[in-house]
Amino acid sequence: DGGITQSPKYLFRKEGQNVTLSCEQNLNHDAMYWYRQDPGQGLRLIYYSQIVNDFQKGDIAEGYSVSREKKESFPLTVTSAQKNPTAFYLCASHPGTEDEQYFGPGTRLTVT
Amino acid sequence: QKEVEQNSGPLSVPEGAIASLNCTYSDRVSQSFFWYRQYSGKSPELIMSIYSNGDKEDGRFTAQLNKASQYVSLLIRDSQPSDSATYLCAAPRTGAGSYQLTFGKGTKLSVIP
Repeated sequence: DGGITQSPKYLFRKEGQNVTLSCEQNLNHDAMYWYRQDPGQGLRLIYYSQIVNDFQKGDIAEGYSVSREKKESFPLTVTSAQKNPTAFYLCASHPGTEDEQYFGPGTRLTVT
Repeated sequence: QKEVEQNSGPLSVPEGAIASLNCTYSDRVSQSFFWYRQYSGKSPELIMSIYSNGDKEDGRFTAQLNKASQYVSLLIRDSQPSDSATYLCAAPRTGAGSYQLTFGKGTKLSVIP
């Protein structure tokens, strides 16, 4: 089955620790995205990548880092510099036609 | 930054009624619009896309686009309790060149049995 997978589903970390969220897709999509969703807020773009070995900052990139070494994979690292890391993190990909994006199941990160 | 605005709700409708969800956008250049459904604790799921003025129907869902008024809506006929979710409207960020979308904050719909 084609799709986007994110792991883990739930993640708990202590403040001051870096944590990496996984996103993998087997849809052969070129473009991939990371969003953050907080209660009562819309989706906010963290980083995006249009091709392998290239990525761009979104609206709220501070405190986050990404890599795109393979087309299938776009991991997101939440660093200790991110002031409010507790959120629902969503990975998405784009098929290259029209404009729609498709989402993975998300990772809920809690930092205490 | 271009905006996509939605009423946050909650919008409550009785089972079997028509639910009407609305969205306005500020970028006149936008050519396509998307409706996503998001159940509580889950990720958004694309349910409708619309690219031209007028109506587009898919089962119980109808998307309506009025580019002159910069207004897009989603009608859900014969609403069911399983339609209870938050509905997100999205539009491409024109000029971004990277298929970016701007999302509204969503309208929470409750269908009362």
